[in-house]
Amino acid sequence: GQQVMQIPQYQHVQEGEDFTTYCNSSTTLSNIQWYKQRPGGHPVFLIQLVKSGEVKKQKRLTFQFGEAKKNSSLHITATQTTDVGTYFCAGSTPDSGGSNYKLTFGKGTLLTVNP
Amino acid sequence: NAGVMQNPRHLVRRRGQEARLRCSPMKGHSHVYWYRQLPEEGLKFMVYLQKENIIDESGMPKERFSAEFPKEGPSILRIQQVVRGDSAAYFCASSSGLREKQYFGPGTRLTVT
Repeated sequence: GQQVMQIPQYQHVQEGEDFTTYCNSSTTLSNIQWYKQRPGGHPVFLIQLVKSGEVKKQKRLTFQFGEAKKNSSLHITATQTTDVGTYFCAGSTPDSGGSNYKLTFGKGTLLTVNP
Repeated sequence: NAGVMQNPRHLVRRRGQEARLRCSPMKGHSHVYWYRQLPEEGLKFMVYLQKENIIDESGMPKERFSAEFPKEGPSILRIQQVVRGDSAAYFCASSSGLREKQYFGPGTRLTVT
């Protein structure tokens, strides 16, 4: 079945440093979504990427979708303590009906930030 | 607009008991998804339901687990004869359509003693 690998598993940075997490799928994806989960919280949707080679920015966050639609990355510039949490990628592939509902999540990258 | 509601937030059950987890989707959403999250793991898809129908239960264990989304009321995830390995966070998500983004509820943390 489809697998989504995410690295690194943990990342500790000093406030102000940059952070990147990488996501790789064993199969070509229809789209990829990124979520943030604070400790003890629930996943909060950040963004969805659909097109090959797509790059989207949200303030200090930059999301990329690979040309082959099998990998993605999230980069945070100048981290802040509010960025603490686990960042998950989740990919979907179309089922036989062309739907994209079934998300396969990576294990996430736990980011901690030292003030 | 209230978000996805789940209750209870925390549930403790002894081995062999039944656990019932409830999920009320966002207003206007008719698509519900259940996921399970083990400690330090990603979320694993369990089941996808629309009103009164189970669309895809490929991620749900064949025994002891069942899910429903009745015409009236919340979606229910039911776990019979719980075992320690069922201890996890169970998240429900809802969407307004198949290709729309999923909004997650706060989760139910199940502990089996």
